[in-house]
Amino acid sequence: SYVLTQPPSVSVAPGKTARITCGGNNIGSKSVHWYQQKPGQAPVLVVYDDSDRPSGIPERFSGSNSGNTATLTISRVEAGDEADYYCQVWDSSSDHPGVFGGGTKLTVL
Amino acid sequence: QVQLVQSGAEVKKPGASVKVSCKASGYTFTGYYMHWVRQAPGQGLEWMGRINPNSGGTNYAQKFQGRVTMTRDTSISTAYMELSRLRSDDTVVYYCARAPAGIYAPEGEANYGMDVWGQGTTVTVSS
Repeated sequence: SYVLTQPPSVSVAPGKTARITCGGNNIGSKSVHWYQQKPGQAPVLVVYDDSDRPSGIPERFSGSNSGNTATLTISRVEAGDEADYYCQVWDSSSDHPGVFGGGTKLTVL
Repeated sequence: QVQLVQSGAEVKKPGASVKVSCKASGYTFTGYYMHWVRQAPGQGLEWMGRINPNSGGTNYAQKFQGRVTMTRDTSISTAYMELSRLRSDDTVVYYCARAPAGIYAPEGEANYGMDVWGQGTTVTVSS
């Protein structure tokens, strides 16, 4: 089945830009979704279809996808952005369509 | 408002079954897949499967084939996930989450993520 690879952790200072990557074979041909999960809470969709934001998600959250890497970018990082972030795709060629990356812990220094 | 409300925490013995419910409100229940995702303590998200509430059709992750059954009751806008032959490593939090289907996904179903999640149900498997 399709595999998504994320770095376990990313650290960034407040006010700076965080970039979280998600690697997969020709992931640029797929639509990537990103979720934020804070401790003890359910995940929240922050980016879908590579770069679209659901209503209520700040413009500071953006996404891109090309080649073998998708990226979630968080601009002007705030302390409240500290969370786990997961990428996800639907692998329509598989009977196991739901695929998540392993998750990245974003630490705000 | 749109929300998914899950049933409460469960404690089960090894070998038993558990059935978790997910009640939807505020939207057209049959227009959105209901997915089930689980998370072990300190671990990542794991997709278990989905049900199309309109047709009742299901897709299950191979890991859970033969142990999981997803159903729905459209009359009460509720989806269910039943997991049988429970083991200690099934001690996790189970989430339901919706994603648009068919005409509710005009850009194609693959282009939409899971935009509403339940609060999670903790299942503890212990003798």
